[in-house]
Amino acid sequence: GAVVSQHPSRVICKSGTSVKIECRSLDFQATTMFWYRQFPKKSLMLMATSNEGSKATYEQGVEKDKFLINHASLTLSTLTVTSAHPEDSSFYICSARDRERSYNSPLHFGNGTRLTVT
Amino acid sequence: DQQVKQNSPSLSVQEGRISILNCDYTNSMFDYFLWYKKYPAEGPTFLISISSIKDKNEDGRFTVFLNKSAKHLSLHIVPSQPGDSAVYFCAAIGAGGTSYGKLTFGQGTILTVHP
Repeated sequence: GAVVSQHPSRVICKSGTSVKIECRSLDFQATTMFWYRQFPKKSLMLMATSNEGSKATYEQGVEKDKFLINHASLTLSTLTVTSAHPEDSSFYICSARDRERSYNSPLHFGNGTRLTVT
Repeated sequence: DQQVKQNSPSLSVQEGRISILNCDYTNSMFDYFLWYKKYPAEGPTFLISISSIKDKNEDGRFTVFLNKSAKHLSLHIVPSQPGDSAVYFCAAIGAGGTSYGKLTFGQGTILTVHP
């Protein structure tokens, strides 16, 4: 149980274009999803918290106009990287917490999206 | 400001021996600690956790120890197996403030278990 599906797993796009990444909780509902970014040989850095039916909250230093987050339902959150540039190339991972579980229950992670901007 | 730190980037262990991965934290609002295992190009997989009101939690070959006064935790894997080779992340969840409900990760430790 507690499966999170992330799509696509890999995407290559040209500089200036936008890319949408989907994150779905398959067998549970999630009022909160989290988007992380991992740089090579670095930790997973929290970018933003996606809240169902309301605006996302962004961590300090993350451009909200650059990384658009939409959490339209209890099972789907999307991250859109707008006007992508080579420095946006990274590994993006989403995670979700079962709404039936407490605030400190483990997050379940998708398998990540490798974004390469050429 | 790295609130969760794993100071050992890598660890190499012989199969059958004990692997000890260490983690330190600074934020007193953290009240729950977790270990995740990660393979390249995959998302992290939850391994084991511990509440701040405990000092030990055991699950099969995995044991997590928490020293709250020292703000230090460790993951013991015994006996280590080659399949345990992966990157291990320590993470913490806050009980309040800006860290409430969020996972803050350490930098990760690459564990290699040699046959």
